Amino acid sequence: DTGVSQDPRHKITKRGQNVTFRCDPISEHNRLYWYRQTLGQGPEFLTYFQNEAQLEKSRLLSDRFSAERPKGSFSTLEIQRTEQGDSAMYLCASSTSGRDQETQYFGPGTRLLVL
Amino acid sequence: GNSVTQMEGPVTLSEEAFLTINCTYTATGYPSLFWYVQYPGEGLQLLLKATKADDKGSNKGFEATYRKETTSFHLEKGSVQVSDSAVYFCALRGSGGSNYKLTFGKGTLLTVNP
Repeated sequence: DTGVSQDPRHKITKRGQNVTFRCDPISEHNRLYWYRQTLGQGPEFLTYFQNEAQLEKSRLLSDRFSAERPKGSFSTLEIQRTEQGDSAMYLCASSTSGRDQETQYFGPGTRLLVL
Repeated sequence: GNSVTQMEGPVTLSEEAFLTINCTYTATGYPSLFWYVQYPGEGLQLLLKATKADDKGSNKGFEATYRKETTSFHLEKGSVQVSDSAVYFCALRGSGGSNYKLTFGKGTLLTVNP
């Protein structure tokens, strides 16, 4: 069990650029979640996948954000035309839909800084 | 909607002191409750959980009891160590239709001095 991995761990970009983050969940987990954490706050839910289907998107996820999970394995989160307010830690988590389904396992996060 | 309120930090204790971090929640039905911990430079780790009323979650000397009558899930440890220094997050997972996403509190920074 290698845990949830995220890439890159850090990203610095200029305002207006596009960025893409990747998440690899625990291999047998069919549920995948994205959260955003700003300084001094708890993580906030962004979106959720069950297999390849995106079942819910938060109002926090503006039109500039898009997430995919092709083939129900890894997921990508893209932010287009980044703004300084997008600077945050982006967390990915995964879980099963069977026993212990309520427990989400988190990756180390991708820290984004928009200059 | 669901919400979690936890004790404002930071909390500074001496080694071997008793720790309590308060957490209360608002949710309909019967949510599952969690404490996650974030050590410096690391990701969130599940510390303990409770899935029904009166359940006690425990791990690494930490305990929390799901109290539905007071809508609380306070975290306690009898004797803290320097290695417990971290940010602690209380969270809930709702029951019913939206029962997959976690709602977190703002976190409480704990510093334990030797």
